[in-house]
Parts: sequence; C-alpha cells; structure tokens
Amino acid sequence: QKEVEQNSGPLSVPEGAIASLNCTYSDRGSQSFFWYRQYSGKSPELIMFIYSNGDKEDGRFTAQLNKASQYVSLLIRDSQPSDSATYLCAVKDRGSTLGRLYFGRGTQLTVWP
Amino acid sequence: SAVISQKPSRDICQRGTSLTIQCQVDSQVTMMFWYRQQPGQSLTLIATANQGSEATYESGFVIDKFPISRPNLTFSTLTVSNMSPEDSSIYLCSVERVYGYTFGSGTRLTVV
Repeated sequence: QKEVEQNSGPLSVPEGAIASLNCTYSDRGSQSFFWYRQYSGKSPELIMFIYSNGDKEDGRFTAQLNKASQYVSLLIRDSQPSDSATYLCAVKDRGSTLGRLYFGRGTQLTVWP
Repeated sequence: SAVISQKPSRDICQRGTSLTIQCQVDSQVTMMFWYRQQPGQSLTLIATANQGSEATYESGFVIDKFPISRPNLTFSTLTVSNMSPEDSSIYLCSVERVYGYTFGSGTRLTVV
C-alpha cells in the first residue's frame, strides 16, 4: 500500500507570514507530485505540481521536492486569510498505466488577520 | 484545464435506494477517475473508468455496489447502489490533464 503522509494540523499562521506544509511518501520511485487546495464544501483545486528535485515557484507558492528523502513541501509566502483551506498532497502512481493519484489526509491551514 | 460538469451537486436519499452521478467533460479523455471523500477524510479512489472496457475497482469497492458506465470519451456515470448511511460522502470525478488532474464540483450525498 503506497502511503502519503501529511501533518494533519491544524496549522495556524498570522496574515503575512510563511506557511509551511509538509508531505512524505513511501514509494521511492514516484515521479509526479501535486498540491491541491480544498475550501470547505468545494472540490480540490490544483495549485502546484513538481516533477524534479529542487524548488518550483509560482507567485506566492513554492513547492520543494527532495526525492532522496521522499519529501515534498509547499511554502505559502505572505499568507492571506483567503489561503485558509485544507491542502492535499498527492503522488502519482508510477507503476501503473492508469495514472491514479494517492492522496494524503490533508493539512488544514488557517490564516488569521 | 478541462471543465467537468458533475451532477447532481447534492442529494438526500433513503437507505436502500440508488443514486446515479454523472460527469461530463468538455474534451475527450481516455480515463476518468471516481473518488469518495468521507467527512473529514482525504480522497479515496473508487475506480478508474476507461471507455470501452470494464472499470477497474480499488480494493474494498465492488462493481455491484458502485457500477460505472463509460459510454464515450467525454461522459461517465457512477451509481451508488443499495445505499446505507455509511455511503454518505462526497463523490468526485476526475480526469488527468497535461499538468495535473482536474476534479468535478462533487456530489454531496446524504443517506437517511
């Protein structure tokens, strides 16, 4: 069983701070990693994907991947109250042609003004 | 990103009945994925639907309980059969795009 682990939180940060969300995965051969944001009562929305070791930046979001440590993280700079949501880490199954994703349980983030 | 129209958005159903959820994608896709998200939980894959073949079910999910149809490359249905309160969840369809996976808006099912 492939596992994706996240700190369940909740994580609470003040407005303007950096929020750091972490995720580890069990399948060393995994190739594709995704971060989804899910507002309460809504479906998940893709905010970042990363395939290569290192950092990938998109606006206030930075995804970091370390395949040797089987670790992927998401940094949110200048956090805003509108960032308050559950963040889901997902890993694509490399061994299957079906392209399925494995999800972590999610980290609930609250940004307070 | 692909646009996925999912319906119904929510329903309240009596135990023992069945509900069919529909997903329509705005472009042709090879595979469609059906997930369940129980209250406070993450997403669990129910099955993968390929056009023209039987759906592939994950461990713990069976065709008799969750029959799936995939009549063409833009449409799929998931039926939740003989429902019990334990089936109360959000059901989501998803497709793979070039840069990730897109989800439908979800169906919030409550079984009473």
